[in-house]
Amino acid sequence: GAGVSQTPSNKVTEKGKYVELRCDPISGHTALYWYRQSLGQGPEFLIYFQGTGAADDSGLPNDRFFAVRPEGSVSTLKIQRTERGDSAVYLCASSLGASGSTDTQYFGPGTRLTVL
Amino acid sequence: SQQGEEDPQALSIQEGENATMNCSYKTSINNLQWYRQNSGRGLVHLILIRSNEREKHSGRLRVTLDTSKKSSSLLITASRAADTASYFCAILSNSGYALNFGKGTSLLVTP
Repeated sequence: GAGVSQTPSNKVTEKGKYVELRCDPISGHTALYWYRQSLGQGPEFLIYFQGTGAADDSGLPNDRFFAVRPEGSVSTLKIQRTERGDSAVYLCASSLGASGSTDTQYFGPGTRLTVL
Repeated sequence: SQQGEEDPQALSIQEGENATMNCSYKTSINNLQWYRQNSGRGLVHLILIRSNEREKHSGRLRVTLDTSKKSSSLLITASRAADTASYFCAILSNSGYALNFGKGTSLLVTP
């Protein structure tokens, strides 16, 4: 595709519910990243995939958060038992490779999650 | 973790003026990147400057890097209303792929 796409663009849910956020990376990009951005802050790293495997999930805040990328393309970020503190914009990015010194990360428009 | 801190937090200028924002960091870096974000959504990559580079240009953007002072600046010349956005500097984490962002500079360009 032309760029990274994310769906939905907005998601409102109630505390305790389960949500899934989807990311379609740029075709051919092997590296995929999820970031979370709270109001007034910069994005914070959550998880990084190289191909199908999560190479680094050290940024996930707790075990309610999980992400998959079963075929090495589309990724889904899953949040169980949502809490109000999970409200944020969730950003997905992809890059051709995973060399931070040469591979630019291209970001999607984000999903704004609101937990009531 | 290593991240840049942008300064100022907010900047308001008129169209045609130049806008300068700065980023300071604490430890050695491989490169430093600048991103723009409109309306709190997707980030757009503007420019990457490597540690062995001192200055880089892209259109109306000029980025400098002073590794001795551990700082970088982003200059937008002849600003336009469309430049209104938040600007972030991003530094690679020790992992070599995750980006660490500062809180950003919010730029407002008024007609």
